[in-house]
Amino acid sequence: GAVVSQHPSRVICKSGTSVKIECRSLDFQATTMFWYRQFPKKSLMLMATSNEGSKATYEQGVEKDKFLINHASLTLSTLTVTSAHPEDSSFYICSASPPWGNTGKDEQYFGPGTRLTVT
Amino acid sequence: RKEVEQDPGPFNVPEGATVAFNCTYSNSASQSFFWYRQDCRKEPKLLMSVYSSGNEDGRFTAQLNRASQYISLLIRDSKLSDSATYLCVVKIYNQGGKLIFGQGTELSVKP
Repeated sequence: GAVVSQHPSRVICKSGTSVKIECRSLDFQATTMFWYRQFPKKSLMLMATSNEGSKATYEQGVEKDKFLINHASLTLSTLTVTSAHPEDSSFYICSASPPWGNTGKDEQYFGPGTRLTVT
Repeated sequence: RKEVEQDPGPFNVPEGATVAFNCTYSNSASQSFFWYRQDCRKEPKLLMSVYSSGNEDGRFTAQLNRASQYISLLIRDSKLSDSATYLCVVKIYNQGGKLIFGQGTELSVKP
């Protein structure tokens, strides 16, 4: 089945530094990927839709200059948390859908997530 | 009002019990519906899609009522391994196909 990977799986960084998270679709091309954030005991909240070759679409309340998204190829999207602060500590998950008809299923596949801790 | 609302949990049930989860959605443009399962500190995994006619996959049965904007998941003969958080999810096509998640219902199956 379709597989999405994320790297790194876990990162600890100091306040003020930037962190880049990669999301890759391993066996299909994805023109659209999604980035979510999940706080403990809470559900996933969509942050932005990453569009290959164009600007990302951010959800209301998500700062585009804080969370930089680049979708430079059909298999890779990156999320950079700039000038990270402790309140940015969270579980970041990406997802992607195979093109309609590729698997015959209308579903998204999730990466394993990246746990970010900002000290 | 949240776009997708689920039963508040947690549900604590003995092995073998039947448990039902309810979910309502507010966006009438919602066009696809899913139940995902999320284990602690892991990513969500698709449990099953939900179709208007209702569908069953082994011990799991999903129902959709578009008129009431209501989705349900029934788990029969629950197993210890069913312990997880169950997420009700809707896909909205006129918003780029993004997924909207409910807050999740935690299930704990005890011996």
